Amino acid sequence: GAVVSQHPSWVICKSGTSVKIECRSLDFQATTMFWYRQFPKQSLMLMATSNEGSKATYEQGVEKDKFLINHASLTLSTLTVTSAHPEDSSFYICSARDGERESGEQYFGPGTRLTVT
Amino acid sequence: AQTVTQSQPEMSVQEAETVTLSCTYDTSESDYYLFWYKQPPSRQMILVIRQEAYKQQNATENRFSVNFQKAAKSFSLKISDSQLGDAAMYFCAYTIQRGSRLTFGEGTQLTVNP
Repeated sequence: GAVVSQHPSWVICKSGTSVKIECRSLDFQATTMFWYRQFPKQSLMLMATSNEGSKATYEQGVEKDKFLINHASLTLSTLTVTSAHPEDSSFYICSARDGERESGEQYFGPGTRLTVT
Repeated sequence: AQTVTQSQPEMSVQEAETVTLSCTYDTSESDYYLFWYKQPPSRQMILVIRQEAYKQQNATENRFSVNFQKAAKSFSLKISDSQLGDAAMYFCAYTIQRGSRLTFGEGTQLTVNP
């Protein structure tokens, strides 16, 4: 149990276009989801925290108008990179919290590799 | 602010040997949770072991165990009988409350030599 999927697993887009990444909890209800960005050989950097039905909370330095996060249901959160530029190329990882489990464990998706040309 | 520090960017170990990865953290809280995550080349984050700060007993999961020193704010991971599949990036992480945001260390790249 406790599986989180991400789609797509990799995507290449042209500069100036927008890209949407989906994060789904497959067998539990995710009351909270987190979006991370990871550069090669570096740690995970938290971008934002989203709670179902409310606006996402962005970390300092993360452009909320560029990285649009929607958490419209208990099983789906989306990250849209708007007007993507080459510097947005990175590995994006989501995680989800099972609100019904006492442990409140976070489960990670497999990640999405974004390349902007 | 809470910080997590992993002072070993790279470590290597011979297959079947034991290796210890270091982690220190800084917090003013008394109740919190610590984790070790493994990220293999697939980049899927995998939970290796967790420790609740209020528990004095060190957590153990098969070949993986921790040495939790609360006063020293140290949380090291010991891998016994290392296997080739243990080769990965290992991240130490902290949270004040389960399910809340995680603060990650910089990571330690572990190589297992046959």
